[in-house]
Amino acid sequence: GAVVSQHPSRVICKSGTSVKIECRSLDFQATTMFWYRQFPKQSLMLMATSNEGSKATYEQGVEKDKFLINHASLTLSTLTVTSAHPEDSSFYICSARDRGYNEQFFGPGTRLTVL
Amino acid sequence: AQSVTQLGSHVSVSEGALVLLRCNYSSSVPPYLFWYVQYPNQGLQLLLKYTSAATLVKGINGFEAEFKKSETSFHLTKPSAHMSDAAEYFCAVSDILYSSASKIIFGSGTRLSIRP
Repeated sequence: GAVVSQHPSRVICKSGTSVKIECRSLDFQATTMFWYRQFPKQSLMLMATSNEGSKATYEQGVEKDKFLINHASLTLSTLTVTSAHPEDSSFYICSARDRGYNEQFFGPGTRLTVL
Repeated sequence: AQSVTQLGSHVSVSEGALVLLRCNYSSSVPPYLFWYVQYPNQGLQLLLKYTSAATLVKGINGFEAEFKKSETSFHLTKPSAHMSDAAEYFCAVSDILYSSASKIIFGSGTRLSIRP
C-alpha cells in the first residue's frame, strides 16, 4: 500500500528557532499534499494544501509567514515553523494524494515541542 | 460549509461487546464520508468510506457504517470488540471526491477503550 513518511517523528526546540518537518510519499507520486495540526484530544485541523510546483493554499487563520510550506517535488513537501513559540507545540500530520485523486494517505505525524 | 460531529469523546466497551461510534454530518451537497482510525503515535488509517453507492459500507477489521440521509448520520459499528480495536476514531467529510479541489474535514475524534 501507499506509504507516507515524516521526519523527524519528534523534535524539541528552543523558542525563537525554526524547525523543518519533511513529508515524503515513498511509493507514489503525490500531486497534492496536506498539512494538518492536531492538539491533544482534539481533531485534525487542516492548515494548508500544497500542489507540486505551486504555492500552498492556506486555511483561514493560518499564518503563511510562520508556517512555510514547500512542495518541491512529487514526493516531498516540507513544513517549516519559523520563530517557533511554545504555542506552536503540537502534533503535525501530513497527508498525500496521488495523481488519480483517489485517496489521501497519512503520515505518522511529528510531535513538536517548543520550550 | 461542511462539518461532522462525533458524539462522545470517549467510549468504553467490554471485549466481545458491540461497538457503536456516532457521527452526524452537515453538508449543503451530497457528502462523501469517511472513518479513520489512529493508533497511538501513528498516522491515520482509512477504515471505510461512503461514496454514494451502497448505504451500508463495510470496512477493514470487521467495521461497517451506514449512511442515513434522513438522520444525517454515519455511525460506525462492529459486532464484537477486540482488544486491538482500542484507538482513536475520526469521522470525516468531503464535498468533492476524485478532484484536485477536494479536502477532508475531520470530526473531533472518539477514543475507544476495550475492557477485558
